[in-house]
Amino acid sequence: DTAVSQTPKYLVTQMGNDKSIKCEQNLGHDTMYWYKQDSKKFLKIMFSYNNKELIINETVPNRFSPKSPDKAHLNLHINSLELGDSAVYFCASSPQSTSGPTNEQFFGPGTRLTVL
Amino acid sequence: KNEVEQSPQNLTAQEGEFITINCSYSVGISALHWLQQHPGGGIVSLFMLSSGKKKHGRLIATINIQEKHSSLHITASHPRDSAVYICAAGRYSGGYQKVTFGTGTKLQVIP
Repeated sequence: DTAVSQTPKYLVTQMGNDKSIKCEQNLGHDTMYWYKQDSKKFLKIMFSYNNKELIINETVPNRFSPKSPDKAHLNLHINSLELGDSAVYFCASSPQSTSGPTNEQFFGPGTRLTVL
Repeated sequence: KNEVEQSPQNLTAQEGEFITINCSYSVGISALHWLQQHPGGGIVSLFMLSSGKKKHGRLIATINIQEKHSSLHITASHPRDSAVYICAAGRYSGGYQKVTFGTGTKLQVIP
């Protein structure tokens, strides 16, 4: 019944490792997002995909590589993890629109990443 | 300076008080979003508005497009309203929608 799900919920790993976070939505939305929330609770967009195509890439280091196998899934792979990558990562989805009011976004529960 | 500013950053209120959280933005928007982040971390959308006022239970959101300002009001506040409230500016970038978030207002309602 979950609308937007993420796995894992918690991820603790050593510096230098490679890790992935998975996201799935069953809402039939065209657009999916990855956001990073820092220790001050500030949310910032990282990537946005529309129908499996990358549409927004907000100057994120290329160690972060999103992958969308289909429009219901958007995974985030992170190479060579650094201490500064520690944060909560949220996936979200929304219906696509190109004009008029921007649509409501539905958020996943978040993945708390801790890099030691 | 952030494109979306909120005030106050922190707010403590007694149960039953009327609460106002303010949001100012410096970009053109197609909609203003209010979100709530529970202490457990989950984020839910409260309102999306492009003009006027919306009400849902004890929550009221207003927007003044000319002044680029929005407010979120909570009437008869309750401890379960304790959360971080986030304002976000929705607009289009390259033909696709994009949301820029404010820094959040942490609300604590004391019984």
